[in-house]
Amino acid sequence: NAGVMQNPRHLVRRRGQEARLRCSPMKGHSHVYWYRQLPEEGLKFMVYLQKENIIDESGMPKERFSAEFPKEGPSILRIQQVVRGDSAAYFCASSPSQGALIGYGYTFGSGTRLTVV
Amino acid sequence: KNEVEQSPQNLTAQEGEFITINCSYSVGISALHWLQQHPGGGIVSLFMLSSGKKKHGRLIATINIQEKHSSLHITASHPRDSAVYICAAANYGGSQGNLIFGKGTKLSVKP
Repeated sequence: NAGVMQNPRHLVRRRGQEARLRCSPMKGHSHVYWYRQLPEEGLKFMVYLQKENIIDESGMPKERFSAEFPKEGPSILRIQQVVRGDSAAYFCASSPSQGALIGYGYTFGSGTRLTVV
Repeated sequence: KNEVEQSPQNLTAQEGEFITINCSYSVGISALHWLQQHPGGGIVSLFMLSSGKKKHGRLIATINIQEKHSSLHITASHPRDSAVYICAAANYGGSQGNLIFGKGTKLSVKP
């Protein structure tokens, strides 16, 4: 039973390029969450998705960032026209339906380290 | 002032020592999470609690809702416990997963 799979583990992009980060939740988990960890800073919530729905995107920057969780396939965090300040570790987590509210907590992926050069 | 504060920021202990990491929060919460981030960067969820106490192996987490305070204890610490420990508050009324994270406590256990 594979855990939360994130790929790629490391991603290097030049300024102005697009970055696509993928997250496959644990089997049986229908809720996905994305978090960002900037260098020397704590984790910050970005977005919460269920299949085909964005539930809470209050932590997403207003421009250049988007997320989706299609009916089939992984969740994608997309960053357009990347800038140096986007360099960070991006983690996704997944949970069962209402699991995080009733005690199951979250399962985290290993993260994608994005470096913008 | 951050909504979730952890102390200490850094902690060095000798193998076998009893360790306590503290977390205070200023928001109303539905749950409090403790996470462990390994030196390689991966994150493991240790506990989620909304009241009382939970124990898993050598790890114990407690929470006092009235005082808005939680503690993570490690008994008989071992070098493999070296990691960053992060507490995160689930804001009451916030969406699932919308956590407010502390900055973490970096623990180093020496043999």
